[in-house]
Amino acid sequence: GQQLNQSPQSMFIQEGEDVSMNCTSSSIFNTWLWYKQDPGEGPVLLIALYKAGELTSNGRLTAQFGITRKDSFLNISASIPSDVGIYFCAGRMYSGGGADGLTFGKGTHLIIQP
Amino acid sequence: DTAVSQTPKYLVTQMGNDKSIKCEQNLGHDTMYWYKQDSKKFLKIMFSYNNKELIINETVPNRFSPKSPDKAHLNLHINSLELGDSAVYFCASSQEVGENGYTFGSGTRLTVV
Repeated sequence: GQQLNQSPQSMFIQEGEDVSMNCTSSSIFNTWLWYKQDPGEGPVLLIALYKAGELTSNGRLTAQFGITRKDSFLNISASIPSDVGIYFCAGRMYSGGGADGLTFGKGTHLIIQP
Repeated sequence: DTAVSQTPKYLVTQMGNDKSIKCEQNLGHDTMYWYKQDSKKFLKIMFSYNNKELIINETVPNRFSPKSPDKAHLNLHINSLELGDSAVYFCASSQEVGENGYTFGSGTRLTVV
């Protein structure tokens, strides 16, 4: 099956620093999604990318859909305490016919040190 | 209103029991899903379902079965629970057609003792 390699696995940063994480895939996707999960909650969609090469921002978050359709990155600028959580990349290969699911990366744990 | 709601939030049960987790979405989405998140936080799809088709991940034991009474509900039934079934189970929904993300419920933490 499809595999997503997400890195880094965890990040310990100071408040105010910029954060960068990425995902690579062994196969192509036609949609890349970035989610954040807080403790005791489900993943919440941050950014969705639908076209190869697309660069999209959502506030302090910026994500790009790699031109090869096999990778994506997420940047967070000027981190704040509420950015703490687990960030997941997810890929979707929409076939147009059936009910297809997401393939998730293993997550990046973001920890902000005071 | 919660977009995707699942109940219960926590479920503790003994090995061998049969249990169900309920999920409802009020988004009018075509497709619903069940995902399992293990202790290492890895999320893996178990089922995807719309009114036309049930797609089962082949790694899911047949003790797990989704039941959809209508488009807005997809419940998860688990028979003969095992210790290894302990995990957090997430329901999600999406529109089948078009560009879209998924909306997840807040999860059900299942503990089998």
